[in-house]
Amino acid sequence: AQSVTQLGSHVSVSEGALVLLRCNYSSSVPPYLFWYVQYPNQGLQLLLKYTTGATLVKGINGFEAEFKKSETSFHLTKPSAHMSDAAEYFCAVSIDNQGGKLIFGQGTELSVKP
Amino acid sequence: EAGVAQSPRYKIIEKRQSVAFWCNPISGHATLYWYQQILGQGPKLLIQFQNNGVVDDSQLPKDRFSAERLKGVDSTLKIQPAKLEDSAVYLCASSPGLGPYEQYFGPGTRLTVT
Repeated sequence: AQSVTQLGSHVSVSEGALVLLRCNYSSSVPPYLFWYVQYPNQGLQLLLKYTTGATLVKGINGFEAEFKKSETSFHLTKPSAHMSDAAEYFCAVSIDNQGGKLIFGQGTELSVKP
Repeated sequence: EAGVAQSPRYKIIEKRQSVAFWCNPISGHATLYWYQQILGQGPKLLIQFQNNGVVDDSQLPKDRFSAERLKGVDSTLKIQPAKLEDSAVYLCASSPGLGPYEQYFGPGTRLTVT
């Protein structure tokens, strides 16, 4: 069975500092990997996704993530945090033969201090 | 392009009462998902439709939850009778088809069962 683990339910950074949100997955077959962001009282919005090809994926708002098969990881990074990045971030995995359903991690709340 | 619409946004009911949620996906999207998001957790898939057929309802508590998408467009999720543990945000998402497509999420319905 597939699963996703996000290390750290809360991460706090200063404005301008590096953002690093960790995600590890478990899958017996090649996975598709996603990062979604959720702002308060809103639905989820796709930041980026990995399906095949280049392992370094760039997304919206300056975020990027690198798929590392040997480490079963898909960590999300941003070089310089902005106050508007404060939100809940979810890593998710999807398997090709399961119709596209997403299995989410428990989420990481990112706080950005001025 | 209009996004995924959900109503109501908020609902408070007493345990053992019934409740229904409505979702209208993005026009042309064949695949529709209902997720349950309990506070502090990532969303969990309840049911997935492809047009008006069910693809996956393995996580749907069928003794109390039901869902339909009769005309392959909008969908209704019902809970009868509700339990305290059903308090959660119910998210509807849609995508163009089966597979690792981006899922577009609605704002969700926040259900409180007292």
